[in-house]
Amino acid sequence: GIQVEQSPPDLILQEGANSTLRCNFSDSVNNLQWFHQNPWGQLINLFYIPSGTKQNGRLSATTVATERYSLLYISSSQTTDSGVYFCAVPLNTNAGKSTFGDGTTLTVKP
Amino acid sequence: DSGVTQTPKHLITATGQRVTLRCSPRSGDLSVYWYQQSLDQGLQFLIQYYNGEERAKGNILERFSAQQFPDLHSELNLSSLELGDSALYFCASSVASGSPLHFGNGTRLTVT
Repeated sequence: GIQVEQSPPDLILQEGANSTLRCNFSDSVNNLQWFHQNPWGQLINLFYIPSGTKQNGRLSATTVATERYSLLYISSSQTTDSGVYFCAVPLNTNAGKSTFGDGTTLTVKP
Repeated sequence: DSGVTQTPKHLITATGQRVTLRCSPRSGDLSVYWYQQSLDQGLQFLIQYYNGEERAKGNILERFSAQQFPDLHSELNLSSLELGDSALYFCASSVASGSPLHFGNGTRLTVT
């Protein structure tokens, strides 16, 4: 099956700093999602981005499908950005089930 | 608010018992997915239903079963519980396979 690798596994930032999280996948995909799991365990849908670039406030994401990676940018980080960031790709187009990477744990310090 | 509702939020039970987790998908979503998140396994896909029919199966134990009802809500039944079943169980829904997933807040199961 498709492999999903996220880097870095852990990231510690000072409030106000910028960061880039990466997601590599081993096969071509027709969709990809980024999620934020906050310290309370909630999984929040950030982006659905099979290709191209999207922006939502301080967050943006870029997927280069032909090169099998996606990047999540967080600018001017805030303590509320802390948590785990996951990317997920479908295992196959018919079933819709998704494989999640192991996540990047982000800690933003005040 | 994702629109996906899971109940209960927390569940504490003893080994050997049986529990039922419930999920109501977003309005209009026909697909329901169940995921298990444990400390050492990450987010693992368990099973998917689409409009009442089982569509895909992942790493779901034989002690676990699920169904999707005509009103599209879904239940995940966990039986003969073991300590290792302690985890956060998520339900997600989507309009169709391949569409964006929207997750509920999860049910935290603790088996003692």
